Amino acid sequence: QKEVEQDPGPLSVPEGAIVSLNCTYSNSAFQYFMWYRQYSRKGPELLMYTYSSGNKEDGRFTAQVDKSSKYISLFIRDSQPSDSATYLCAMRDSWGKLQFGAGTQVVVTP
Amino acid sequence: SAVISQKPSRDICQRGTSLTIQCQVDSQVTMMFWYRQQPGQSLTLIATANQGSEATYESGFVIDKFPISRPNLTFSTLTVSNMSPEDSSIYLCSVEQGLVDTQYFGPGTRLTVL
Repeated sequence: QKEVEQDPGPLSVPEGAIVSLNCTYSNSAFQYFMWYRQYSRKGPELLMYTYSSGNKEDGRFTAQVDKSSKYISLFIRDSQPSDSATYLCAMRDSWGKLQFGAGTQVVVTP
Repeated sequence: SAVISQKPSRDICQRGTSLTIQCQVDSQVTMMFWYRQQPGQSLTLIATANQGSEATYESGFVIDKFPISRPNLTFSTLTVSNMSPEDSSIYLCSVEQGLVDTQYFGPGTRLTVL
């Protein structure tokens, strides 16, 4: 069983809709939780990070962590075609190593 | 965040040859990392490179196959040796920065082995 599970999609939504992404994990030692966005043929770009349960907002993006359920989410409001990308969750353990999910491909259609 | 560049951006190589990938950062960083991202899969850590010490390799990766150099705090190289088609992948370097030591990635090197 992988330590981080993420549905690979693709997830197709119309422009303006809310995109909902999530990951589950099994290792309770994970301390920091991150979301990266990766456009085709580019490196991953850090979107958000958080270390506590609860919500964190940044513009149209909201990251949510539920440590008791070992579940994290990313919501994108008012989605745009430019949000079409692969979104990777990542978790940092106590040794400083990142474990990545498989990535969810998101397609926002005009 | 740091600006990271990689060379080459892509290459097509013959089986049995070696390729050295360069990673340059615009600021001094302690920790640099090398990852592999195979088609349709997520990122897998190959090794961690600290300046002035031997790289630390993850399970399944060995120094003879993926030698790494880290001559200073802004530069590192990864060599993919004796390549086979199974080495076709995107290779990414990353650096650790910030209060919570988040990682920032370079643009990647897309390698195809024939």
